[in-house]
Amino acid sequence: GQNIDQPTEMTATEGAIVQINCTYQTSGFNGLFWYQQHAGEAPTFLSYNVLDGLEEKGRFSSFLSRSKGYSYLLLKELQMKDSASYLCAIKGGNNDMRFGAGTRLTVKP
Amino acid sequence: GAVVSQHPSWVICKSGTSVKIECRSLDFQATTMFWYRQFPKQSLMLMATSNEGSKATYEQGVEKDKFLINHASLTLSTLTVTSAHPEDSSFYICSAAQDEQYFGPGTRLTVT
Repeated sequence: GQNIDQPTEMTATEGAIVQINCTYQTSGFNGLFWYQQHAGEAPTFLSYNVLDGLEEKGRFSSFLSRSKGYSYLLLKELQMKDSASYLCAIKGGNNDMRFGAGTRLTVKP
Repeated sequence: GAVVSQHPSWVICKSGTSVKIECRSLDFQATTMFWYRQFPKQSLMLMATSNEGSKATYEQGVEKDKFLINHASLTLSTLTVTSAHPEDSSFYICSAAQDEQYFGPGTRLTVT
């Protein structure tokens, strides 16, 4: 089975940096994904990690440690539009995607 | 990137009726599509995995006779909610897998 944990809510200030952590336990692993989801909309892809290390893409970076079952999403230079839910997802051995409960990020001015 | 569409985007139906939701991959062929359900302020819950030309694989606790899935072609999967009840009101999202999963825009179902 799978177990994916991430904080329920976080608050940060515009222009700051925020790190959203995700820990997981899984019997099969074909990659870890981060998605952004605004209320009432479908998730949009942010990042994908299958090997250990840091993947950087503009203001967003994602880190993976497979041995620790740990990932984080780093958001820099926060903007008000970054207020959303951030979903950590694991692609399992059957290529099925399972999601954590999501972290609701609020960016304040 | 690849595009996945869903139809309808929202639907209101009466309790006891059936509703069909379509999921299409517009510019690629998807041998596997996934159906998710999301209740307010909760995450996406995988309902079933749909493979073209074969029976869908349902997650534990999802009634296969209530949520009928048909994956008749490489670009189309349908989810039919049969005998809908108010507790079936939710946001239903499909995704189609290529090298990564591409999500449809979702269908909001309200059962009155």
